[in-house]
Amino acid sequence: DAGITQSPRYKITETGRQVTLMCHQTWSHSYMFWYRQDLGHGLRLIYYSAAADITDKGEVPDGYVVSRSKTENFPLTLESATRSQTSVYFCASRRTSGREATQYFGPGTRLTVL
Amino acid sequence: DQQVKQNSPSLSVQEGRISILNCDYTNSMFDYFLWYKKYPAEGPTFLISISSIKDKNEDGRFTVFLNKSAKHLSLHIVPSQPGDSAVYFCAAKDSNYQLIWGAGTKLIIKP
Repeated sequence: DAGITQSPRYKITETGRQVTLMCHQTWSHSYMFWYRQDLGHGLRLIYYSAAADITDKGEVPDGYVVSRSKTENFPLTLESATRSQTSVYFCASRRTSGREATQYFGPGTRLTVL
Repeated sequence: DQQVKQNSPSLSVQEGRISILNCDYTNSMFDYFLWYKKYPAEGPTFLISISSIKDKNEDGRFTVFLNKSAKHLSLHIVPSQPGDSAVYFCAAKDSNYQLIWGAGTKLIIKP
């Protein structure tokens, strides 16, 4: 029962470089999400996906790109990393059915942009 | 404009006593509320939730209370244990089934 995995767990990169954070879930959940966590801001939604090939912007999408060719994978790409993108990134998923909105999170990726 | 606010960045409680974490929201259309717990270097884990049609939900040592008129919810942990030391996030579900998150409260349980 792997749930959601994220890789890498830690990443250091330089300003201007492209970085891709990976997210994989084994539950076949329809919805997947990318959040960033910064002190004082809680979790802020970057992008989400309702199903394969369906993605939509969240609260803070600028500078990020996502794709979802397969239900189980939802990579997040920083096309040209900036220092302000230094953060902890969490991937999450949830089922479609039911009234609840419980999301299940991966362990996170700590990204440092120098 | 934060729609979900946790005004206490941190809270220190003696082991065995009650911990009360608070959360305020501004959007009366929120219909479901969740609490998550987060340990360092781990992702948030779901703890307990409550529908807007209820005013209380209990699960073992954890109870969530909802006061819709005040747009306020609270999480009670009784008795508090050392393993409860973590950051607690409050979240509210909006009409698009997205979660709006508070900034979190760091709970420290003193032995």
